[in-house]
Parts: sequence; structure tokens; C-alpha cells
Amino acid sequence: GAVVSQHPSRVICKSGTSVKIECRSLDFQATTMFWYRQFPKQSLMLMATSNEGSKATYEQGVEKDKFLINHASLTLSTLTVTSAHPEDSSFYICSARNTASSNQPQHFGDGTRLSIL
Amino acid sequence: EDQVTQSPEALRLQEGESSSLNCSYTVSGLRGLFWYRQDPGKGPEFLFTLYSAGEEKEKERLKATLTKKESFLHITAPKPEDSATYLCAVQQGAQKLVFGQGTRLTINP
Repeated sequence: GAVVSQHPSRVICKSGTSVKIECRSLDFQATTMFWYRQFPKQSLMLMATSNEGSKATYEQGVEKDKFLINHASLTLSTLTVTSAHPEDSSFYICSARNTASSNQPQHFGDGTRLSIL
Repeated sequence: EDQVTQSPEALRLQEGESSSLNCSYTVSGLRGLFWYRQDPGKGPEFLFTLYSAGEEKEKERLKATLTKKESFLHITAPKPEDSATYLCAVQQGAQKLVFGQGTRLTINP
């Protein structure tokens, strides 16, 4: 079964709305989670690394004030797309790794399809 | 800069027709090469991790192999349910993954 849960799976909203996406590790603790963005027929691009109890690390070109990340517990990270515009429409995917065990792969959520009208 | 290149971009096979997908990489100090399967509208599903040249792993009809420059995902006697996009990624630093563009595999019945 799924080990990483992402919610909601789909969001359609008006331009200017802020949207929050949740990512939960279901049966393990994750001090680090990752947020990716994927455009149609393209690969995953890492946006930011979410660190429990500290600030997220953003990749070059990703606006930290636009994409707010909070990692308040060892099983939950949230991504908030603030004042979303049509160009923010995309497929957002999170991942987490069981940090209690070495050599564990990243497990991914099922993604959130964000459509801004 | 770490890079991952997958080929072909798309591949159509008949059911039962074996083939291989390629993942070429350049990375300073490989810490892990990962294969994932992604179905449309879903997140990637973990398949394999390879750590050193010569390593091989198998799961059902899939076998992944690794050399110092590339990895292959061999699919033997595929079935229509094997149709998906297969993603290759290398680990950069402690945890970050760098993904290739993927290979869209279609298996016709």
C-alpha cells in the first residue's frame, strides 16, 4: 500500500487564490521531504527540500515567497502556493524517505494536479 | 553538473517482445541509481536501487543492471500492464535525486 499520502489529488481554483497541499509519511518518520513539479510529458524537477523543524532549502529559480513550505512534524510537510496564477498550473509531487533506516529510497505521493483558471 | 539521459524517449512493443531501456549518467561519486515506474496521473513507484558497477536486481519481468556510465532496465516478455513511463534517477549529495526525462513504454496486446 501507499507509504506516502498526498492531498488533495486535484485542485481547480481562481487566479489569486492560495492553495495548500499536504504530504504525509504513513508508517515512518521523515526528517526530510521533497517537493517536485512535473510538466506534461516531462520529468520531475525538484523545487525544494523540506526539513523538519527548520527552513526549507529551495532550488535555484524557485521563489520561496511563492511556494511556502512548512514541515512541522516528522510525518507532515505542506506546500502552499500563494496567490496562484495560471502559470503555476502543474502536477506537484512530494516524496519522503525513511530516515530511520539507511539506504532507503524516496517514496512518492500520488501528486496534486493544480489548475488555476 | 550531474546529468541523466534516458533513451529511447518512447518505445512500443508487442506483448512478449523483450527489450531494454537505457539510462546514461554523469555524476561525481555515484551514491545510488534509482529506477521508478510512473503511471499517468500518479506519482513514481519505486522499483530498484543500484549502488555499484556490476550490480543487478530483478523483480518479476524487470531486471536492472549498472555499469560505470549507464544502467539498463531489461524487460522480458512484457505484458500490457507493464505499460508506463520508466524514470531513472541518480542521487546527488546526501539525498537529492536528479531525474532523467523518462521512457514511455507501451505494450500492445
